[in-house]
Amino acid sequence: AQTVTQSQPEMSVQEAETVTLSCTYDTSESDYYLFWYKQPPSRQMILVIRQEAYKQQNATENRFSVNFQKAAKSFSLKISDSQLGDAAMYFCAYRRSNAGGTSYGKLTFGQGTILTVHP
Amino acid sequence: DSGVTQTPKHLITATGQRVTLRCSPRSGDLSVYWYQQSLDQGLQFLIQYYNGEERAKGNILERFSAQQFPDLHSELNLSSLELGDSALYFCASSVHYNSPLHFGNGTRLTVT
Repeated sequence: AQTVTQSQPEMSVQEAETVTLSCTYDTSESDYYLFWYKQPPSRQMILVIRQEAYKQQNATENRFSVNFQKAAKSFSLKISDSQLGDAAMYFCAYRRSNAGGTSYGKLTFGQGTILTVHP
Repeated sequence: DSGVTQTPKHLITATGQRVTLRCSPRSGDLSVYWYQQSLDQGLQFLIQYYNGEERAKGNILERFSAQQFPDLHSELNLSSLELGDSALYFCASSVHYNSPLHFGNGTRLTVT
């Protein structure tokens, strides 16, 4: 079974600074997707960024970028120029790319990292 | 706004009772997923439906059941409720199994 591990229960950053959130995963699959979701106090789950495992290029979305190390099964999220609105719980998630079996598109989440942004 | 609607937003009920949570997926999305978020278990996948058929099952208790109707809305039924069932229940939808999941705002269930 696939597992996702976020080893940092809490992180903090100063406004305008850069912070990196860590995520490792375990899978025997060669093709899959990785995601970072943000859950602010409003509790809505918001997709931040997505990475396809077959792509070597790291995904970027404005101030958010990832460092995807497939061999190491590592998928970290870098937030540049941190803003107060970035304060939230961040979840790393894994998804098989192929349907079938008991997977069929479900996401497996890590335990989350609470990010605090200090003004 | 994700386009996924969950009702009710909050639900308070007593142990032993039964409740129904409702989810309307985004227009055009055929897949509906249910997740449970609790403090000790994190985000746990419960069950998934695709166009009315059950496609995947996760850590869903036998006391829980779900279905997806012809109009694609889904309901999650929780019965014989226990204190430990108190959690945030999310519904998510996607067009296809490889499409991004869009989450609703969740239903906060409190069992007293």
